[in-house]
Parts: sequence; structure tokens; C-alpha cells
Amino acid sequence: DGGITQSPKYLFRKEGQNVTLSCEQNLNHDAMYWYRQDPGQGLRLIYYSQIVNDFQKGDIAEGYSVSREKKESFPLTVTSAQKNPTAFYLCASSVRGGLSPYNEQFFGPGTRLTVL
Amino acid sequence: ILNVEQSPQSLHVQEGDSTNFTCSFPSSNFYALHWYRWETAKSPEALFVMTLNGDEKKKGRISATLNTKEGYSYLYIKGSQPEDSATYLCASNTGNQFYFGTGTSLTVIP
Repeated sequence: DGGITQSPKYLFRKEGQNVTLSCEQNLNHDAMYWYRQDPGQGLRLIYYSQIVNDFQKGDIAEGYSVSREKKESFPLTVTSAQKNPTAFYLCASSVRGGLSPYNEQFFGPGTRLTVL
Repeated sequence: ILNVEQSPQSLHVQEGDSTNFTCSFPSSNFYALHWYRWETAKSPEALFVMTLNGDEKKKGRISATLNTKEGYSYLYIKGSQPEDSATYLCASNTGNQFYFGTGTSLTVIP
């Protein structure tokens, strides 16, 4: 089955520790995205990558880092510099990035990160 | 950052009732409007993508309309069923980024 996997589903970390969230896709999609959801807010874009070895900051990139060494993988590191890291994190992918109105995003199941 | 608004925030309807909700978005920088259904403990699932003013899309009992001039889209569900219970998200696609609303949470009471 093709899809997007995120692991783990729930993650607990102590304040001050970096933590890496996994996102893997076997859809052969070029573009991948990381979003954050907080109560009462819409999904907000953290980082996106349109192609391997390239990524751009979204609206709320501060305190996060990413890498895109392989097409199928786009891990997100939440660093100790992120002031409010507790949130629900969603990964998505699309066939390609950029200008296409039919660029549907396919989502993973999400990881809920709690920083204690 | 684009401001995409959805209303109502939540909705409870009886099984068999028809319902609708609204997505408002800035009409400038508009490229496409996407609707997603997000069931609890699952991934958001794409419902529709619309690009042209006056577009209307339908999938079973669910349909959506688009007005790009005034910046809104309506999602309609005819004869709601318990399995329609979910959060419905809309997103404005500017060509480079998706901007999501906060969603409308629908509960269909059997």
C-alpha cells in the first residue's frame, strides 16, 4: 500500500532536548511538507521541500530544522530553540511542488509531541 | 500569511438532515481551493479541488461551490449520516503554499 507514515504516534520529551520526527512516503512524490496544528488554529506550514536536497522555510520555521537527503524521507527536528514545541505535527507530500492547482497534498497520520 | 476562515467552528445535526458550512479566503493570490475531510485518528483525506469561479463539484452526497470574486466556498452534505462525522478543512492554495482554515467539526447524531 502506498502512503505516508509518521512515527511515533505519541512522543514525550523533556524541555531542552532536541527531538526528531520521522516522515516517510512511498508514493514517489517530489514534494514534502511539515505542518503544525495547535488548538483553535489551522494547520501552519513549518518547512517544505520540492525536491531532494532542497527545502524552504514556511511561516513558522524558527526553532525547527529539516533535511531531505532521500526522496522518500523528510525528518523534522524540533530543537530546544522552539519556544512552544508541544503540538500535533502533520507531514504531507504531493506529486510535485509549485504552481499546480491540482497539487493535492496527501497526509500522514501525525505525531503528537509533548514536551514536559 | 493568508487568513482563511471557516464557520461554524462546530456543528451537531441529526441523521438525515442536510447541512452546509463556509470557507472564506482572500480573493487575491488565489489559485485553488481544497476541501479535506479529517476523521478522528486518521489522516486528512482530499475531497475536492476547485479553481474556477462558479465551480461546483460533487461526490456522492457531498458537494461544494466556489466564488473566487467574493472569496468563499460552501460545502454541502445532503442527508447526513453518522459516518460523515469528521472535521472538514478548507485550504487556499496560492500556487506556492496551502493556507488552512481551522476546520468545521461535524457530529451527526444517529
